Amino acid sequence: ETGVTQTPRHLVMGMTNKKSLKCEQHLGHNAMYWYKQSAKKPLELMFVYSLEERVENNSVPSRFSPECPNSSHLFLHLHTLQPEDSALYLCASSISADNQPQHFGDGTRLSIL
Amino acid sequence: GESVGLHLPTLSVQEGDNSIINCAYSNSASDYFIWYKQESGKGPQFIIDIRSNMDKRQGQRVTVLLNKTVKHLSLQIAATQPGDSAVYFCAERIGGYNKLIFGAGTRLAVHP
Repeated sequence: ETGVTQTPRHLVMGMTNKKSLKCEQHLGHNAMYWYKQSAKKPLELMFVYSLEERVENNSVPSRFSPECPNSSHLFLHLHTLQPEDSALYLCASSISADNQPQHFGDGTRLSIL
Repeated sequence: GESVGLHLPTLSVQEGDNSIINCAYSNSASDYFIWYKQESGKGPQFIIDIRSNMDKRQGQRVTVLLNKTVKHLSLQIAATQPGDSAVYFCAERIGGYNKLIFGAGTRLAVHP
């Protein structure tokens, strides 16, 4: 109902696995974002894409690799994750990467064993 | 060891009362502010935003007030309903590409 759909909703993976999170927005927006929400910290921005170009990388470890093939889709590729990476990963989109409200999906709950 | 989460302040109100949720922001150069509501199991839902050239903005049952002198933001909810129970986050934009910095959140509990 938010116009931003994230899959899967839940993911459990081992530290040596490789998986990907998917986000799709149906709002015609040109900017997309990845956030991490953990129990111990406020919501943290990870990456910003504007018109499919990465314009912000908020000091995120290289074990997280984003991909934006077009303005409607955003992926977060995961490999060799650590237990502290367990969190809710939220995708958002906005009309532009400017002073515009970001609209969030319901997230992927990631658990690292 | 035991996992300790963020300790969220809680505001408890009676159904029908007005609620005021407060937020202190950090950067005097922030030019855009936004409030989100997050219910359990869902992502943050946009409520209302305000730009730094304004001090008040009203929506449906909600009002945001901005006091740049003391770097304070508040969200007022009129006639609070049980469906308003959620965690509320404020966020400020500190330049760059719509880079939002979020507060820790306030839990609103509405009692019948």
